[in-house]
Amino acid sequence: GAGVSQSPRYKVAKRGQDVALRCDPISGHVSLFWYQQALGQGPEFLTYFQNEAQLDKSGLPSDRFFAERPEGSVSTLKIQRTQQEDSAVYLCASSLVGLSNQPQHFGDGTRLSIL
Amino acid sequence: GENVEQHPSTLSVQEGDSAVIKCTYSDSASNYFPWYKQELGKRPQLIIDIRSNVGEKKDQRIAVTLNKTAKHFSLHITETQPEDSAVYFCAAPPEPGGSARQLTFGSGTQLTVLP
Repeated sequence: GAGVSQSPRYKVAKRGQDVALRCDPISGHVSLFWYQQALGQGPEFLTYFQNEAQLDKSGLPSDRFFAERPEGSVSTLKIQRTQQEDSAVYLCASSLVGLSNQPQHFGDGTRLSIL
Repeated sequence: GENVEQHPSTLSVQEGDSAVIKCTYSDSASNYFPWYKQELGKRPQLIIDIRSNVGEKKDQRIAVTLNKTAKHFSLHITETQPEDSAVYFCAAPPEPGGSARQLTFGSGTQLTVLP
């Protein structure tokens, strides 16, 4: 596709429910990142994939957060037993190659609200 | 890990004036410095980036300067227009050669261009 696509754009869930957020990166991009953006703050790193391999998950805040990219393209971020502090915008980014000095291109994000 | 500080947090300028946003970083080995523009409810959009082998880069009304000795880089917007109003984020990558790939973002600058 022309850009990084994320769905849904908005998600409202009750505390304790599980949610799944989808990211479709730019076609052919090797690297995929998930970031969490709180209101008024910059994006903060959650996890990174190179193709289907999850190479870094050091930013995931708890074991309730799980991400996968089974075929090296589409990725899903799952949050189990959601808590109010999980409310944020979840951004996905992709880059062409797996180097730290390459541009990352972002999707519009999923705004998650936990009631 | 990388630490990025961004100033100012808010900036108001008259239309046609220049705006300057500054960032400092901690990892002297960092070699790539992007700037993102984020309008309300939209994706962070890469507007310009610079690599450590140059000191300045320009793209029309936007320029970025880099001082590796002092470990700071700045965004310069000339002849500002109301559509430049947005939140601007600087970012820096981790040390090259390691396994990390994620960007560390500054806290953002809310730029308001007054007509």
